[in-house]
Order: sequence, then C-alpha cells, then structure tokens
Amino acid sequence: DGGITQSPKYLFRKEGQNVTLSCEQNLNHDAMYWYRQDPGQGLRLIYYSQIVNDFQKGDIAEGYSVSREKKESFPLTVTSAQKNPTAFYLCASSGRQGETQETQYFGPGTRLLVL
Amino acid sequence: SQQGEEDPQALSIQEGENATMNCSYKTSINNLQWYRQNSGRGLVHLILIRSNEREKHSGRLRVTLDTSKKSSSLLITASRAADTASYFCASNAGGTSYGKLTFGQGTILTVHP
Repeated sequence: DGGITQSPKYLFRKEGQNVTLSCEQNLNHDAMYWYRQDPGQGLRLIYYSQIVNDFQKGDIAEGYSVSREKKESFPLTVTSAQKNPTAFYLCASSGRQGETQETQYFGPGTRLLVL
Repeated sequence: SQQGEEDPQALSIQEGENATMNCSYKTSINNLQWYRQNSGRGLVHLILIRSNEREKHSGRLRVTLDTSKKSSSLLITASRAADTASYFCASNAGGTSYGKLTFGQGTILTVHP
C-alpha cells in the first residue's frame, strides 16, 4: 500500500528530554511537511522540505529541528527548548505532477504528551 | 500565523440536510483546498478549486470561490452520519511558496442519524 506512516502513535516526553517523531512515505513525493495541531485548532506549519538535504522553517519552528537525508523520510525532533510540546503532530507530503503537486497527503499523526 | 477563518466553528444537522461551511482568507491565492479530518486522525483531501474557477463539484460536494471577497464555501448535500468530522480550508499562495498551505481553524460538523 502506498501512503505515509508516522510512529509512534503516542509519545511521552519527560522534562528536558528530546524526542524524535518518525515520518516515512512511499509515494515518491518530493515535498514533505510537519504540522502541529492543538485541541480545537487548525494546523500550524513547523518545517517543510521541498527536496532532499534542504528544508525551511514554517510559522512555529522554534524548539523543533528536522533532517531530510532521504526522499522517503522526514523526522521531526522536539527539543527541550519547546516548552509546550503537548499536541497532535501531523506529517504530510506532496508530489510534483499536476494536482498532486498542490494537494497534500497526510499520515495518521503522533500524539505527544508531557509527563 | 493562521490566514483562514472558518464559519461556523461548529454545525449540527440531521441526516439528509445540507451543510454549508464558509472560509475567508487574507492574501492572494493560487488555489484553495478543503480537507476533512475524522477525530484523532490525519487529514484527507476533498477538493481543490483554482483562483480562476468560481465553482466546482465532486459527488455530494460543491465548492465556490469568490476571489473579490477572498472567501470560499463548501456545501455537502444530503448529509450522512458518516460525514461527521472536522472540515478545514487551506489556501495555497503559489509562487515561491510552492506547495505550502495555510489552514483555517476548521468547522466541526455533526450529522445526527
């Protein structure tokens, strides 16, 4: 099956700890995105990458870091500098041709909770 | 920052009724998209309308776009209990922003059987 996978489904972070959220896609998409969703809110863009080895900050990048070493993978690290990390994190990707370039395909999400 | 505003924030209707959700945005767009999110899940793309289009249909969905008012609406006809979800509009500014989307706050739709 083609799609986007995110793991884990739930993640618990202790104070001062860095945690990494995984995002993998087998859609052969060039672009990948990370969003944060707070309860009852829309999505806010954290980071995005249009090509391997390149990424840009979104609207709320502080306290987060990413890497894009492979086309298929775009992991997100929530660092200890992020003081309010409790949220639902969504990864997405988009392709190159026609409308697939403009529409985004989402993973199932990771819920991060602080202990 | 969130560009889109959606109205209403919540909508409750009976099965068989139509549901209309509205979205406003602030800057020029290349296209506007609507997504659906079931509780605790990822988003699913529903429909895309380009800035030079005024209306688009897909099954029971009808989307309109008024670029002069910077607004869009999503109509779901003959709603079903399975349509219960949150619906988000997302604007694409095009140009150097490439595939970046700016999402609205969403409308929570509840369809009662």
